[in-house]
Amino acid sequence: DAGVTQSPTHLIKTRGQQVTLRCSPKSGHDTVSWYQQALGQGPQFIFQYYEEEERQRGNFPDRFSGHQFPNYSSELNVNALLLGDSALYLCASSHLRGWGQPQHFGDGTRLSIL
Amino acid sequence: KNEVEQSPQNLTAQEGEFITINCSYSVGISALHWLQQHPGGGIVSLFMLSSGKKKHGRLIATINIQEKHSSLHITASHPRDSAVYICAVSGETSGSRLTFGEGTQLTVNP
Repeated sequence: DAGVTQSPTHLIKTRGQQVTLRCSPKSGHDTVSWYQQALGQGPQFIFQYYEEEERQRGNFPDRFSGHQFPNYSSELNVNALLLGDSALYLCASSHLRGWGQPQHFGDGTRLSIL
Repeated sequence: KNEVEQSPQNLTAQEGEFITINCSYSVGISALHWLQQHPGGGIVSLFMLSSGKKKHGRLIATINIQEKHSSLHITASHPRDSAVYICAVSGETSGSRLTFGEGTQLTVNP
């Protein structure tokens, strides 16, 4: 039973570029949440996707956008990259928006901006 | 002030010691989560609780809803317990969206 998988594991970009990160949820899960974790900090909620729509959003600018596909996988897109976007990006999946359930996390994508 | 506060930030223990990590929160919650993060980055859910106490192996988690406080205990600590332990809460109206504390870096020396 595959867990949550994220790709790529590491990525290096320069300021101003655009990046796409990918997440496949655990089998049987239909909800994907994205988090940003800066070094030495706890993760911060970016947004959640369910039924191919953004259902909740944290305090992140419009440069951060996402998408969910019919197979429940998800992408996180970040435009006009800033140095401050360097972080570990975590994807978490759950079922039916996760009410009353623990979430399952991937190993993350480490994004470095030069 | 963060909605979820953890203490201590760093903790060093000798193998076999009893360890306690504390978490306080300031918002209404539907559940509190304890998670473990290893250096590679992946996060594993240890406990999800909304009242009382849960135990799994050498790990025990307790929560006091009235005081908005939770503790994670590790009995007979071992070097393989070395990791970052993170407290997170699901808000009363925010579904599965988690608000995290900053984590406690635990190092257990042999």
